[in-house]
Amino acid sequence: AQTVTQSQPEMSVQEAETVTLSCTYDTSESDYYLFWYKQPPSRQMILVIRQEAYKQQNATENRFSVNFQKAAKSFSLKISDSQLGDAAMYFCASDRGSTLGRLYFGRGTQLTVWP
Amino acid sequence: DTAVSQTPKYLVTQMGNDKSIKCEQNLGHDTMYWYKQDSKKFLKIMFSYNNKELIINETVPNRFSPKSPDKAHLNLHINSLELGDSAVYFCASSQLTRLDTQYFGPGTRLTVL
Repeated sequence: AQTVTQSQPEMSVQEAETVTLSCTYDTSESDYYLFWYKQPPSRQMILVIRQEAYKQQNATENRFSVNFQKAAKSFSLKISDSQLGDAAMYFCASDRGSTLGRLYFGRGTQLTVWP
Repeated sequence: DTAVSQTPKYLVTQMGNDKSIKCEQNLGHDTMYWYKQDSKKFLKIMFSYNNKELIINETVPNRFSPKSPDKAHLNLHINSLELGDSAVYFCASSQLTRLDTQYFGPGTRLTVL
């Protein structure tokens, strides 16, 4: 069963603008991590940001931040001041703690950045 | 100073052949993984090793056999290749077996003709 859902197959944003990518997940565990990975055309999977479920504070990495809503099981990624190099497929993933490191991935959101 | 490397990056072969993909990490991690990304870009775990011991073995055909000669290397051997095996295969590594960031290799695109 799908445990990570990305409801937006495609998104687009103008350069310098802000865009938010959505992700919901399903778990009954209290201990888990959530991730956003970026896959540009080069195919490399690059970690964008990580959120530990026990932390109340939303993770931030430079222009990338998350909105982690634990009760709603929602984990969205906000990209501020979008750049052309942000164009990629973005994957949301969860590590549910009890599953020995299995990362469960969503189906991805293809982000286009317009100049 | 590549952290997780895979060889080859591209592999084109005929049905029925046997092939191997190699993975090496220089991060000093104890855990390594193989993931498969299908044509729709969906990523799914196949195997995981911790310090040369198999800890995850998903429902993957027996034709796929991972081997870990040491904790820095994890190879994937595939026997009797089928058309449906065409995909991108990613190796990844992490320090811990759970609740840790996984770092991915560049992927190997396997095409079976």
